[in-house]
Amino acid sequence: EVKLVESGGGLVQPGGSLRLSCVASGFTFSTFDMTWVRQAPGKGLEWVSSISSSGVSTSFADSVKGRVTISRDNSRMSLDLQMDSLRVEDTAVYFCARYGSGGWYGAFDHWGQGILVIVSS
Amino acid sequence: DIVMTQSPDSLAVSLGERATINCTSSESVLYTSKNKNYLAWYQQKSGQTPKLLFSWASTRESGVPDRFSASGSGTDFTLTINGLQAEDVAVYYCQQYYAIPFTFGGGTKMEIK
Repeated sequence: EVKLVESGGGLVQPGGSLRLSCVASGFTFSTFDMTWVRQAPGKGLEWVSSISSSGVSTSFADSVKGRVTISRDNSRMSLDLQMDSLRVEDTAVYFCARYGSGGWYGAFDHWGQGILVIVSS
Repeated sequence: DIVMTQSPDSLAVSLGERATINCTSSESVLYTSKNKNYLAWYQQKSGQTPKLLFSWASTRESGVPDRFSASGSGTDFTLTINGLQAEDVAVYYCQQYYAIPFTFGGGTKMEIK
């Protein structure tokens, strides 16, 4: 069974930093591209960032570019999202998700349960 | 960026009836050389994580009931539920993965009339 479990969320002040982690199990992590998607309270889904299976290629939404770093450790089957210079508008539930068979340009076929990040003073 | 527009924003349908959700992209998501539409549909029940229903505009994921169907090409897509069940109450999202940034529609809230 594919499982994705996020951690690292919480309350942080504007301008602060937070590191989210996602631990995967139930599949060969090193062969799948991965992504982060967020959902502000009561709002829709917003793609944040993606990373290729090898970790060589990354991509970011303009809303987080320059403030967010995505990385992965295939030996630990983990995916990280380092978020710096956080803004109130970054408040959201952050989902870790796996790309499906389409790879980098494909749908997200498994999602974690999400982790809440609150940016507030 | 490709803008995804869903309609309606919300929809109330009687149990057993048909529900139709539309999704329009601001530019084509059809990769012509592969003849594939880079379009997915997700279902998100209240308090739950999104679930992939369809990829490539019309390829149903394993385990998705066949009362769900999806169609469309280019810029216009449709998700249909034939015979709405109580467990289908959810918000439904379309998403394009044709171009970065990958973008989602605003969602359609499905309710029982």
